[in-house]
Amino acid sequence: GAVVSQHPSRVICKSGTSVKIECRSLDFQATTMFWYRQFPKQSLMLMATSNEGSKATYEQGVEKDKFLINHASLTLSTLTVTSAHPEDSSFYICSARVVAGLEAFFGQGTRLTVV
Amino acid sequence: GESVGLHLPTLSVQEGDNSIINCAYSNSASDYFIWYKQESGKGPQFIIDIRSNMDKRQGQRVTVLLNKTVKHLSLQIAATQPGDSAVYFCAENSGGYQKVTFGTGTKLQVIP
Repeated sequence: GAVVSQHPSRVICKSGTSVKIECRSLDFQATTMFWYRQFPKQSLMLMATSNEGSKATYEQGVEKDKFLINHASLTLSTLTVTSAHPEDSSFYICSARVVAGLEAFFGQGTRLTVV
Repeated sequence: GESVGLHLPTLSVQEGDNSIINCAYSNSASDYFIWYKQESGKGPQFIIDIRSNMDKRQGQRVTVLLNKTVKHLSLQIAATQPGDSAVYFCAENSGGYQKVTFGTGTKLQVIP
């Protein structure tokens, strides 16, 4: 299957700082990328859907000014957690959908710890 | 702090037995369904998918059954192996290229 690379895999940051997570589709073009967060022993919760060249669509309850999403090209989307707090500590996962396709491929996830 | 974690339902099966993992979905307009496997600390891995115009699809050692009448999806794993131990999620897609939303997940434990 197609490969989605997420970077970094782990990051520890201080409270109040911002962290950027990258999601790249390595061997295909993705018009749509999705960002999820996952708490321990829970399912993946969709945060936002980003389409290349347009503003992301955020799910209800997700602060768009806190979780900045940029999808500037068909192979790269970034999620920036701004002014991070300990409650933002979580596992963040991106997925990418091929052009005119249904299947979504997932990155390996980023473990964010805010101290 | 983080939300209190819910305990995932757990299915324990003996190595070599067949496993059946069930999922109820919510949106009657969903037209595409996927099963994912997630190992600890990793992203979900695609297992098998099925479109709403089908009621059964088979892959290698896995079969997905879809019952649209009761909005139920199941994943059958034949001859379960220790490497199958993971959390399994069903996911549904609504309306073409829209979002993929996940079910609650089931933890599969394979007893050697």
